[in-house]
Amino acid sequence: EAGVAQSPRYKIIEKRQSVAFWCNPISGHATLYWYQQILGQGPKLLIQFQNNGVVDDSQLPKDRFSAERLKGVDSTLKIQPAKLEDSAVYLCASSLAGLAGANTGELFFGEGSRLTVL
Amino acid sequence: AQSVTQPDIHITVSEGASLELRCNYSYGATPYLFWYVQSPGQGLQLLLKYFSGDTLVQGIKGFEAEFKRSQSSFNLRKPSVHWSDAAEYFCAVGRGGGGNKLTFGTGTQLKVEL
Repeated sequence: EAGVAQSPRYKIIEKRQSVAFWCNPISGHATLYWYQQILGQGPKLLIQFQNNGVVDDSQLPKDRFSAERLKGVDSTLKIQPAKLEDSAVYLCASSLAGLAGANTGELFFGEGSRLTVL
Repeated sequence: AQSVTQPDIHITVSEGASLELRCNYSYGATPYLFWYVQSPGQGLQLLLKYFSGDTLVQGIKGFEAEFKRSQSSFNLRKPSVHWSDAAEYFCAVGRGGGGNKLTFGTGTQLKVEL
């Protein structure tokens, strides 16, 4: 079974430029997440989709970050304009739908997209 | 609000020695608990998870963790560490089920001395 795919793996841009990251979740996974991981910190949730609807975007800096999951499958995260503090690894994850119990809500992660803002 | 504390930022152990990584959580209901490992330049890989039943859970790569409700802890252990275990380890808590939202700790960086 294919895992979560992300691209690009690495991106270097200058501040005020824009960047976009793409994620394709595991087939059949209804929920898709974008996490931001700053060096030395744990992953922080930016946005959570259930199918093509947003469940939680309370931690997303909406003045510069946007995300979409138009057909309920793959997703794009955009940053415009980028700031120095946006340098981080952007992790995409997906999980199954279904009630708690045997479905532990485990998240499956991609390898991440490392962004460096100069 | 749910939260996870990993008190040890860095830990160094000798190869073959035992390992325990600490994790304390705060959660208002029955927690679903996870340990993930992250090697340099890689995503997060699930080591093990707990959601009910036996409080001692076994995971991959010889790791185990024990859930202690009275102490709000879910510490990760390994009897004998291998050099390839050097990585960063994250504890996480959630409610389980579809649409689960995991809150992660800040991680513990493990270094293994040969």
